[in-house]
Amino acid sequence: GAVVSQHPSRVICKSGTSVKIECRSLDFQATTMFWYRQFPKQSLMLMATSNEGSKATYEQGVEKDKFLINHASLTLSTLTVTSAHPEDSSFYICSARKGALNTEAFFGQGTRLTVV
Amino acid sequence: AQSVAQPEDQVNVAEGNPLTVKCTYSVSGNPYLFWYVQYPNRGLQFLLKYITGDNLVKGSYGFEAEFNKSQTSFHLKKPSALVSDSALYFCAVRDSEGQGFSFIFGKGTRLLVKP
Repeated sequence: GAVVSQHPSRVICKSGTSVKIECRSLDFQATTMFWYRQFPKQSLMLMATSNEGSKATYEQGVEKDKFLINHASLTLSTLTVTSAHPEDSSFYICSARKGALNTEAFFGQGTRLTVV
Repeated sequence: AQSVAQPEDQVNVAEGNPLTVKCTYSVSGNPYLFWYVQYPNRGLQFLLKYITGDNLVKGSYGFEAEFNKSQTSFHLKKPSALVSDSALYFCAVRDSEGQGFSFIFGKGTRLLVKP
């Protein structure tokens, strides 16, 4: 199978601090990873597309300086929420595509971020 | 603009009865369609996909979906619902216009199967 592991599953941080979320493809190489944000009772909204070795492509309205994405290897992408504020509290989900463009994406288990 | 619509916020069905979760789409070109299920505080699990071929697609956990090009629909179905099927279901289409071909998701439909 194809497994995507996301860590941590839950994190509580103080306002003004930074939080790093890791997304790993455990048994396949993912040239492209995606980061989504999900608000309560809402759908997933794409934040950015991350390609290994290059800068992430951010969706309109997503602050690239606030949500830092690094895709240093074919199996790891990280999302760092910098200077977190309570409004950044949300459920963040990463996904990775295994191969060709028409294949399904595999999702991490998500990270519940609470900023207090 | 590409989009996915799930017209129902919630679907209620009795255990053992058939279930349908509706999805319609709007895309440019051929659609690549997917269904995912999400349990509370969890990521998404892949159920099935339509790329090409037979309009009836069979997936995980006994689910199937029917691709209807004329109605631009891709409804999720299961002949006999289980209480454990209760979850949030997302229909998605591959974004053929954006960077990296990510997914465009519907807003989700909560399925509640009552014993």
